[in-house]
Amino acid sequence: SQQGEEDPQALSIQEGENATMNCSYKTSINNLQWYRQNSGRGLVHLILIRSNEREKHSGRLRVTLDTSKKSSSLLITASRAADTASYFCATYSNSGYALNFGKGTSLLVTP
Amino acid sequence: DAEITQSPRHKITETGRQVTLACHQTWNHNNMFWYRQDLGHGLRLIHYSYGVQDTNKGEVSDGYSVSRSNTEDLPLTLESAASSQTSVYFCASSVDSGIGELFFGEGSRLTVL
Repeated sequence: SQQGEEDPQALSIQEGENATMNCSYKTSINNLQWYRQNSGRGLVHLILIRSNEREKHSGRLRVTLDTSKKSSSLLITASRAADTASYFCATYSNSGYALNFGKGTSLLVTP
Repeated sequence: DAEITQSPRHKITETGRQVTLACHQTWNHNNMFWYRQDLGHGLRLIHYSYGVQDTNKGEVSDGYSVSRSNTEDLPLTLESAASSQTSVYFCASSVDSGIGELFFGEGSRLTVL
């Protein structure tokens, strides 16, 4: 079953703006991961945040995790047209065997 | 460079035919997974394997089977293809069970007519 749900389903912004995507999940987790998928391609891992971490940075990416609210956010700063893609959050539950993915947020960055 | 490859990338078949999608990884990962991706459903887990001779059913395993005879390969077989199995299929692998990141192939687009 799908553990995570992203919000919004679609987001359209202009280059240079920040993009924020949210993810909610249902059960306790070991970690939460964000993936990116360009059109017609496979998913690529972006960042992993452990359940005992609250914030993590990687380049222009900033991820936050609030385990009390069972939610996470992905912030992409200074967006570029090349950031156009779908973004998915994914979680293992504490007793999980494989990653469960949300339905994704489709991000369009226009020049 | 190590990689994970899927073949074929595109396939059209007819209802009732047997289809096998290949997945080969060169990372020597023990864990391998098959997902399907459909509009409105995101990615759903079909089968997974934690090592040679180990296979397990996922969320949507009906009509699919896998076998793991070596570390590198996890072929996905549709015994009798149905139109509901038209989808994009992704293979993935990982080092750590239950905690690590997944490495995905480029996908196989299957159309069942």
